[in-house]
Amino acid sequence: DAGVIQSPRHEVTEMGQEVTLRCKPISGHDYLFWYRQTMMRGLELLIYFNNNVPIDDSGMPEDRFSAKMPNASFSTLKIQPSEPRDSAVYFCASSPNGTPETQYFGPGTRLLVL
Amino acid sequence: GDSVTQMEGPVTLSEEAFLTINCTYTATGYPSLFWYVQYPGEGLQLLLKATKADDKGSNKGFEATYRKETTSFHLEKGSVQVSDSAVYFCALRYNQGGKLIFGQGTELSVKP
Repeated sequence: DAGVIQSPRHEVTEMGQEVTLRCKPISGHDYLFWYRQTMMRGLELLIYFNNNVPIDDSGMPEDRFSAKMPNASFSTLKIQPSEPRDSAVYFCASSPNGTPETQYFGPGTRLLVL
Repeated sequence: GDSVTQMEGPVTLSEEAFLTINCTYTATGYPSLFWYVQYPGEGLQLLLKATKADDKGSNKGFEATYRKETTSFHLEKGSVQVSDSAVYFCALRYNQGGKLIFGQGTELSVKP
């Protein structure tokens, strides 16, 4: 298996622009997680899905952030409008139904908002 | 609420030294506990886990024992290698869902 695939790997944008991050989970995995990692705040869970349904979005910082999972093989995290404080590495992870705690992380998207 | 606290890094060791990274947790009930590792430029990967008190998780020479009485899950390795240089995250599983609560991470640097 190719593992969790994220795109783009790097994104540089200007404040106010819309940013869309993409994730393809491992085939057969029923859970999908979006995390944000910064030096100041460490690793934060933003939202997670089970069987394409959002289960817990309490970590989504504000209305500028939204996430969707239209099918079992694709998810997006959108930031609109972006701000410099959104600069971070965003990870997507997936896990199987039987062991949701065994999460497989993608390589991350490094976002820089100028 | 539930939380995980790790010792601050960076931890710098010479090759073949003994490693301990401390982790303590606060939780209601008895959560499952995990260590994840993040190598430079990569995402996290599961290193080991323990699901109940007194369980010992082990993998790649690393070990951690679930200590209910001290609410701890310290990571140890008898002889570290340069290739072990990474950031190590302690985590607990929040109820029966997939949500994990991570500590802040401890950076380990092993010098030859």
